Amino acid sequence: EPEVTQTPSHQVTQMGQEVILRCVPISNHLYFYWYRQILGQKVEFLVSFYNNEISEKSEIFDDQFSVERPDGSNFTLKIRSTKLEDSAMYFCAAKDRPNEQFFGPGTRLTVL
Amino acid sequence: QKEVEQDPGPLSVPEGAIVSLNCTYSNSAFQYFMWYRQYSRKGPELLMYTYSSGNKEDGRFTAQVDKSSKYISLFIRDSQPSDSATYLCAIGGTASKLTFGTGTRLQVTL
Repeated sequence: EPEVTQTPSHQVTQMGQEVILRCVPISNHLYFYWYRQILGQKVEFLVSFYNNEISEKSEIFDDQFSVERPDGSNFTLKIRSTKLEDSAMYFCAAKDRPNEQFFGPGTRLTVL
Repeated sequence: QKEVEQDPGPLSVPEGAIVSLNCTYSNSAFQYFMWYRQYSRKGPELLMYTYSSGNKEDGRFTAQVDKSSKYISLFIRDSQPSDSATYLCAIGGTASKLTFGTGTRLQVTL
């Protein structure tokens, strides 16, 4: 089965600090996504990315969040000034076509 | 009304039982349907994907979609302790994002 990898597996940061979460999608996949899951809650869509630009974003994905694919392989999610409520598991997903999205193992973000 | 509703469980069954997991959805624009398995603090693992009404079988797993009732199901035959996990339904429409249910926690006991 295709594999999406994510680093780090766990990130601890102080409130107000910037964090960058990294994902290496499957090489031939074209569509990339970030989702998050607050402990005990459902998986929520944050943003989708195709052809080097955002194709859709949710209400959660405000100005504090940004995504980019700086080198054609890594796909990153940046949170500029973290808040306590940003503590969650963050999952990267990728797909080719038709619609099967494959998820990475996640990064657990803890904001203190 | 929530877009996707799923009974959170927990659901406890003995080994060998047939398990039925279900979701309902409200938006008829949803076009494709997936089931993921998630172990504690791990990423969702894709089990089944379907886009049409009817049944799709893969080993011990059968996914069923009824678009007229906006109802989807996952059946697990001959359940094993290793099937113990949270099962997530996820539904997509013309936009490619997935909308997830809350997940059903399944425990298969010896």
